[in-house]
Amino acid sequence: SQELEQSPQSLIVQEGKNLTINCTSSKTLYGLYWYKQKYGEGLIFLMMLQKGGEEKSHEKITAKLDEKKQQSSLHITASQPSHAGIYLCGADGAQTGANNLFFGTGTRLTVIP
Amino acid sequence: NAGVMQNPRHLVRRRGQEARLRCSPMKGHSHVYWYRQLPEEGLKFMVYLQKENIIDESGMPKERFSAEFPKEGPSILRIQQVVRGDSAAYFCASYRGPDGYTFGSGTRLTVV
Repeated sequence: SQELEQSPQSLIVQEGKNLTINCTSSKTLYGLYWYKQKYGEGLIFLMMLQKGGEEKSHEKITAKLDEKKQQSSLHITASQPSHAGIYLCGADGAQTGANNLFFGTGTRLTVIP
Repeated sequence: NAGVMQNPRHLVRRRGQEARLRCSPMKGHSHVYWYRQLPEEGLKFMVYLQKENIIDESGMPKERFSAEFPKEGPSILRIQQVVRGDSAAYFCASYRGPDGYTFGSGTRLTVV
């Protein structure tokens, strides 16, 4: 079965600092999703990556998928308190026979004003 | 497009009662997934349904839990004879290729 490992598990940064969250897969990723979850709320879709070397940006958040398609990173530039929450990477299991999106353990981000 | 709609947002049940959670997928989506998030844990897949069919229920507990997605109406996740350990947030997602997976806001079940 495929496993997703996120690092770090938690992160505390000062407002204005840059940060990176990593998501590593034990198998090739065919679809990698990034979501953000605020405490007690649902998942907000951030980005989906499918191609090796692909990079997407939205506002101050950039996500990349490496050429080997086994690692993805999420980079936040000039963090703000609004970026605080739990960041989840999810892998599409369709290509490996799993009929669902399965998730890493999450990274809890705290931004100190 | 109203997105994925889940209701109720919060549900309180006494031990032994039944809990019914509803999920209406996005318009045009016919694939529904249910996930459970226990306190301080990640999202765990429970079941994948298409209209009138259960495709994959490998993540569903063997007893007390059932799911359906009828031809008309929302998908229902049903938990019979709830216990304290069922307290969790239950999320529904719908899927369509170009849109990927879209999640609802979840139902937070508390068993007292």
